[in-house]
Amino acid sequence: AQTVTQSQPEMSVQEAETVTLSCTYDTSENNYYLFWYKQPPSRQMILVIRQEAYKQQNATENRFSVNFQKAAKSFSLKISDSQLGDTAMYFCAFRGGSNYKLTFGKGTLLTVNP
Amino acid sequence: DSGVTQTPKHLITATGQRVTLRCSPRSGDLSVYWYQQSLDQGLQFLIQYYNGEERAKGNILERFSAQQFPDLHSELNLSSLELGDSALYFCASSVGLAGGTGELFFGEGSRLTVL
Repeated sequence: AQTVTQSQPEMSVQEAETVTLSCTYDTSENNYYLFWYKQPPSRQMILVIRQEAYKQQNATENRFSVNFQKAAKSFSLKISDSQLGDTAMYFCAFRGGSNYKLTFGKGTLLTVNP
Repeated sequence: DSGVTQTPKHLITATGQRVTLRCSPRSGDLSVYWYQQSLDQGLQFLIQYYNGEERAKGNILERFSAQQFPDLHSELNLSSLELGDSALYFCASSVGLAGGTGELFFGEGSRLTVL
């Protein structure tokens, strides 16, 4: 079974600075998807960024980028120029190529301070 | 707005009772997933339906059941409720079984409080 580990329960960052959230996973599959979801106080689960395992290039979405290390089974999220609205719980998630469901990590609560 | 609709948004009930949570997936999505989010267990996958048929089952209790109807909406039934069932229940949908980008689109959740 796949597992997803987020080792940082809480993090904080000053507005406009950069922060990196860590995620590691365990799988025997070669083809899979990785995601970062954001859950603000409104509790809506919002997709931040996705990475297909077969792609070597790291995904980027505006201020959000990932560092995908397939051999190390690591998938970290970097948030640049942090904004107050980035304050949220961030979940790393894994989806196998032949499986249907997302497996989530426990989450990292990120607080952006003014 | 993800396009996934869940009702009710909030529900307060007593132990031993039964409740039904409803989910309408995004237009065109055939797969529906149910997740339970609690403080101690995090986000746990419960069950998935595809085009009316059960496709995957996770950590779903026997007291819980779900179904997907011909119009593709889904219901999650929780019975003999216990205090520990208090949680946020999410519904998510996707286009197919496992294809496309693999992304799930989540509803806003139903907050269940069992007193």
